[in-house]
Amino acid sequence: DIQMTQSPSSVSASVGDRVTITCRASQRINKYVAWYQQRPGRAPKPLIYATSSLQSGVPSRFSGSGSGTDFTLTISSLHPEDFATYFCLQADSFPLTFGGGTKVEIK
Amino acid sequence: QVQLQESGPGLVKPSETLSLSCTVSGGSISDSYWCWIRQPPGKSLEWIGYIFSSGSTNYNPSLESRVTMSVDTSKNQFSLNLNSLTAADTAVYYCARYFRRSPFYYFDFWGHGVLVTVSS
Repeated sequence: DIQMTQSPSSVSASVGDRVTITCRASQRINKYVAWYQQRPGRAPKPLIYATSSLQSGVPSRFSGSGSGTDFTLTISSLHPEDFATYFCLQADSFPLTFGGGTKVEIK
Repeated sequence: QVQLQESGPGLVKPSETLSLSCTVSGGSISDSYWCWIRQPPGKSLEWIGYIFSSGSTNYNPSLESRVTMSVDTSKNQFSLNLNSLTAADTAVYYCARYFRRSPFYYFDFWGHGVLVTVSS
């Protein structure tokens, strides 16, 4: 199985801050990495797919990048509604696996 | 807009079998991959497996011995059976569509989720 190690596990930030979240794969993978936002009690919401493609309706302050084993989600300027937990997903090979999650909290 | 809705019991006894269904609306279940994903309280997500509309399946090896998925295209529904339950199976269970057209592979539509507690 491909393990996705996500860091940090939590981050405290303020409105307007730039936040970067990283997922490191246990082996080189293709660009089939997606990112999800999850608010408490809600289903995950897709933000990014294929490493850097923005899901329809998602604000442009969210962006994704990466290759090989290292993949990144960046929020360029935090809005109040962005305080949530974020997960990465690798869809390069089965079984599909998720990162451990990053909780973005208000400083 | 595709919508998914899980249904099933919220409480199941240890050693019993969990049966969940997912109804798809706003689109056809045909020619797509449909998944089950679960999330234990306070933890990350675990992919359980998928079923294609034709009935072909792919299960997570960690659960394969206990999982069966089925699809009913006439009802636009697919289902999950998970047997020999233990407390470790307590989780929110989500159904989702697995968008799988190269080079795009990800879960694009999700149900709201159903909390399943395994307890006597």
